[in-house]
Amino acid sequence: KNQVEQSPQSLIILEGKNCTLQCNYTVSPFSNLRWYKQDTGRGPVSLTIMTFSENTKSNGRYTATLDADTKQSSLHITASQLSDSASYICVVTLTTSGTYKYIFGTGTRLKVLA
Amino acid sequence: GAGVSQSPSNKVTEKGKDVELRCDPISGHTALYWYRQRLGQGLEFLIYFQGNSAPDKSGLPSDRFSAERTGESVSTLTIQRTQQEDSAVYLCASREQGQNSPLHFGNGTRLTVT
Repeated sequence: KNQVEQSPQSLIILEGKNCTLQCNYTVSPFSNLRWYKQDTGRGPVSLTIMTFSENTKSNGRYTATLDADTKQSSLHITASQLSDSASYICVVTLTTSGTYKYIFGTGTRLKVLA
Repeated sequence: GAGVSQSPSNKVTEKGKDVELRCDPISGHTALYWYRQRLGQGLEFLIYFQGNSAPDKSGLPSDRFSAERTGESVSTLTIQRTQQEDSAVYLCASREQGQNSPLHFGNGTRLTVT
């Protein structure tokens, strides 16, 4: 069964601290993995995409990793800011017969405190 | 440029009434998706439109749900005889062609059925 599991479900950290969010997937055939940030009351916004051949990619203070062998990804946030408070959603794309299907994780809710 | 626009942003309706939700995708985006997000849960796929192809309706939870899209423009999601369990945020997303293109989400319609 195609599934995406994220951990932890929720996380509280102090401003300025780092954190790492985890994503494990059992999706086949794998096309890519994307991390989205969803602020309260808003739609998700793409942070970064990882394709099969990529191991790590950075976007500002966000660094994503992908281990295609163990089917795991992580999102590391450096020097957290209050504006990082949001839900972070891991989404895996699978491609079948030329169409794309997205398997969503349930997200990690991050709260950054001053 | 303009993003994905959804209306209304909030809708309160009585049980048994019909509701219509609207999505204006980004111009030129051939693919359009509807998702449902219940409080504290992940995104649940409802329906997918790709150009003039027949839509993928495999995620619609019951025959009370239907959606239309004219060409590559506006889409409407209709829920007939609403039930309390239909209360959720309904998110629309559009995407341009290409397997690595991200989903661009609207801010959703928050539906409350009383």
